[in-house]
Amino acid sequence: KAGVTQTPRYLIKTRGQQVTLSCSPISGHRSVSWYQQTPGQGLQFLFEYFSETQRNKGNFPGRFSGRQFSNSRSEMNVSTLELGDSALYLCASSLDGPGGTNTGELFFGEGSRLTVL
Amino acid sequence: LAKTTQPISMDSYEGQEVNITCSHNNIATNDYITWYQQFPSQGPRFIIQGYKTKVTNEVASLFIPADRKSSTLSLPRVSLSDTAVYYCLVGDGGSSNTGKLIFGQGTTLQVKP
Repeated sequence: KAGVTQTPRYLIKTRGQQVTLSCSPISGHRSVSWYQQTPGQGLQFLFEYFSETQRNKGNFPGRFSGRQFSNSRSEMNVSTLELGDSALYLCASSLDGPGGTNTGELFFGEGSRLTVL
Repeated sequence: LAKTTQPISMDSYEGQEVNITCSHNNIATNDYITWYQQFPSQGPRFIIQGYKTKVTNEVASLFIPADRKSSTLSLPRVSLSDTAVYYCLVGDGGSSNTGKLIFGQGTTLQVKP
């Protein structure tokens, strides 16, 4: 069974630009959640989508948004990029809710590494 | 808001048992506590999950006291390949925080020969 696929793996943007990252979950998984990982702040929960609806949201500004399509694939968008947005963005899928709820084992992709110059 | 605390780093030798403790307060009442392992340039990988008392699988054990304010991941007889960063993951407490997840800061385990 194919794992979680994230594209692109690496990208470089400049301040003020916007970026879209894509995540294809494991087949049959309906929940997709996104995380930001930085050396200073560690792993931080961005948001979670289930059946095309945002179900949970972390404490990030509105510049961070996402969506989920009917095939469970998800995208996240960051507008007006800032230097501090440089990070590894991880996507995870699960059968139902994300880790910590119900049976919630999260399956992570390898991430998209964003560098903002 | 839930707060988690893990040791930043730990050293061990091959064949030893390693215990990593995560302190967590104000976590979601009905949520599980989960531990993940992460290698460089990879996403985290599920190790074990539990709600209360003790859970054991083929790679680790997880001990959770009755008050659920901490959890201890136990890795029996570690090998060099267990060198990685280990994270605890909990759900944030409070009805307004339902579904929000909090990762620990991560514990870098270095296993030496």
